[in-house]
Amino acid sequence: AQSVAQPEDQVNVAEGNPLTVKCTYSVSGNPYLFWYVQYPNRGLQFLLKYITGDNLVKGSYGFEAEFNKSQTSFHLKKPSALVSDSALYFCAVRDNGAGSYQLTFGKGTKLSVIP
Amino acid sequence: DTEVTQTPKHLVMGMTNKKSLKCEQHMGHRAMYWYKQKAKKPPELMFVYSYEKLSINESVPSRFSPECPNSSLLNLHLHALQPEDSALYLCASSQDQGNGANVLTFGAGSRLTVL
Repeated sequence: AQSVAQPEDQVNVAEGNPLTVKCTYSVSGNPYLFWYVQYPNRGLQFLLKYITGDNLVKGSYGFEAEFNKSQTSFHLKKPSALVSDSALYFCAVRDNGAGSYQLTFGKGTKLSVIP
Repeated sequence: DTEVTQTPKHLVMGMTNKKSLKCEQHMGHRAMYWYKQKAKKPPELMFVYSYEKLSINESVPSRFSPECPNSSLLNLHLHALQPEDSALYLCASSQDQGNGANVLTFGAGSRLTVL
């Protein structure tokens, strides 16, 4: 079975500071990993994904994530946070060895960027 | 067109009403999804249509009835709902269901309140 853990319900960061939103995963095969963001009363928007290759993935709005196979982690990062980054962030995984391509979401982390 | 459009944005219905949620995409995607999302929780998969055929039903009660009239449209028919069915209903699409690297594109959602 595949699973995703986002250990922090909420992350607070000051505007201009670097931010990190943590994600760890568990799969039986190789993972496909995704980050989505959700603004209030909106659907989820895709930020970035890791499929294979370079462990550092760059995505939309200046976000990036680093795939770490030994730590089974895929933390989301941004060098300088903006107030407009305040939203709910979901990490998600698919197990490409499971024969099923259902996406499993983490519980979400609320990011608050303080002016 | 890179959008998934959902109507209505808001719906209030009584427990004896019959209503429908609609979803439309013109990206040529052949997989379409319905998710249910409670406040501050991750989306929960309800149904998946692949090439206009129902491929996944996550043990959803029969008071929810999906329909895929063509490759661009997805409906969710609602009948005899319960107050606990109140949630944000998200439609999503992807190129197809068979590639784990595919990104889901989400609509903005339909906010359902059952009185």
